[in-house]
Amino acid sequence: GQNIDQPTEMTATEGAIVQINCTYQTSGFNGLFWYQQHAGEAPTFLSYNVLDGLEEKGRFSSFLSRSKGYSYLLLKELQMKDSASYLCAVSTTGQAGTALIFGKGTTLSVSS
Amino acid sequence: GAVVSQHPSWVICKSGTSVKIECRSLDFQATTMFWYRQFPKQSLMLMATSNEGSKATYEQGVEKDKFLINHASLTLSTLTVTSAHPEDSSFYICSARGNWASSYEQYFGPGTRLTVT
Repeated sequence: GQNIDQPTEMTATEGAIVQINCTYQTSGFNGLFWYQQHAGEAPTFLSYNVLDGLEEKGRFSSFLSRSKGYSYLLLKELQMKDSASYLCAVSTTGQAGTALIFGKGTTLSVSS
Repeated sequence: GAVVSQHPSWVICKSGTSVKIECRSLDFQATTMFWYRQFPKQSLMLMATSNEGSKATYEQGVEKDKFLINHASLTLSTLTVTSAHPEDSSFYICSARGNWASSYEQYFGPGTRLTVT
């Protein structure tokens, strides 16, 4: 079966660093995505990892270990606007082709 | 680039009626479009995958006779919720994947909030 786990909620303060973990067990793997979603809005793309290692993009970095079925999203220099839900999604190949399977999301609250 | 629109952004309908939601890729051709449903404080649940010119593939547990999907062109897919009931009230989001060789990312529309009274 398909299973993607991430913490439900996290809190942090402005300026801090936070790491959101994601573990997955899926049938097939074509890459792992991280999305940010503000309440009532569609997800916006943050990062994509298909090979092991760390991908850095500004204040956000994402890490992948395929052998461990593990990824994390690292957010540095947190700002209030970073309060949102962060979705881990695995790209798999099913009967209809390539599709994204989403985790339940991690709600991050940043306080001053 | 890679913009996806949805229409309407929100809709209220009475129980028993049907509602059509449109998903358009504005500046690229999308061979594959996806329809998701999201309940409050839940993650996105894939409902179906739609390839242009062919029948949609529905995920387990999604009634294909209730959620009709049409992908008639490379830039438009529609989702029709037939005989809507209050439990169908949800946030419906579409996404599209481009038809270029290196395409792996899905581009999401802004979502449609459906309320069935």
